[in-house]
Amino acid sequence: QKEVEQNSGPLSVPEGAIASLNCTYSDRGSQSFFWYRQYSGKSPELIMSIYSNGDKEDGRFTAQLNKASQYVSLLIRDSQPSDSATYLCAVSGGYNKLIFGAGTRLAVHP
Amino acid sequence: NAGVTQTPKFQVLKTGQSMTLQCAQDMNHNSMYWYRQDPGMGLRLIYYSASEGTTDKGEVPNGYNVSRLNKREFSLRLESAAPSQTSVYFCASSGLGGNSYNEQFFGPGTRLTVL
Repeated sequence: QKEVEQNSGPLSVPEGAIASLNCTYSDRGSQSFFWYRQYSGKSPELIMSIYSNGDKEDGRFTAQLNKASQYVSLLIRDSQPSDSATYLCAVSGGYNKLIFGAGTRLAVHP
Repeated sequence: NAGVTQTPKFQVLKTGQSMTLQCAQDMNHNSMYWYRQDPGMGLRLIYYSASEGTTDKGEVPNGYNVSRLNKREFSLRLESAAPSQTSVYFCASSGLGGNSYNEQFFGPGTRLTVL
């Protein structure tokens, strides 16, 4: 059974701080990794994709991938209250499928 | 472009009733998916269609059927609804090619309650 694990949170950070969200996965053959943001009552929104080891930056977001440790992370710099949401980690599960973690709830307080 | 659209947005059924959830995408994607999301459980794949004309079971297919009507449309049918099928249902699509092939884009969801 392929699994993706995330701490459910809530992760509480002050406004302006760095939020660090973590994800581990079980399938060593996974090649594609994604972070989705989901606001309460809304659908998941793709915010980052990463396919090779190292860091990938997009604005205030940085995704980090370490395939040897089977670990993906998302850093959010200068966190804003509007970043408060649930963040879902997703990992390729073979033949066009994704395996999703249960999500980490992030709360950014003023 | 509307992206991925779903109808209806909300539905209340009685146990044993049937219904079909509709999904359409205008991004020319090859693959389409149906998920359900329950509190604390994350997104679980019900069925998917890797390309027009094919469908396959996901993690939780029991009680559901699907139809890939054409490249744009993928429907999910509940033949005899049960209270355990109370959930939020999301349709997604993917498949632009290259590294972005697995990037999935989601519709707004259908909130289904079975009494």
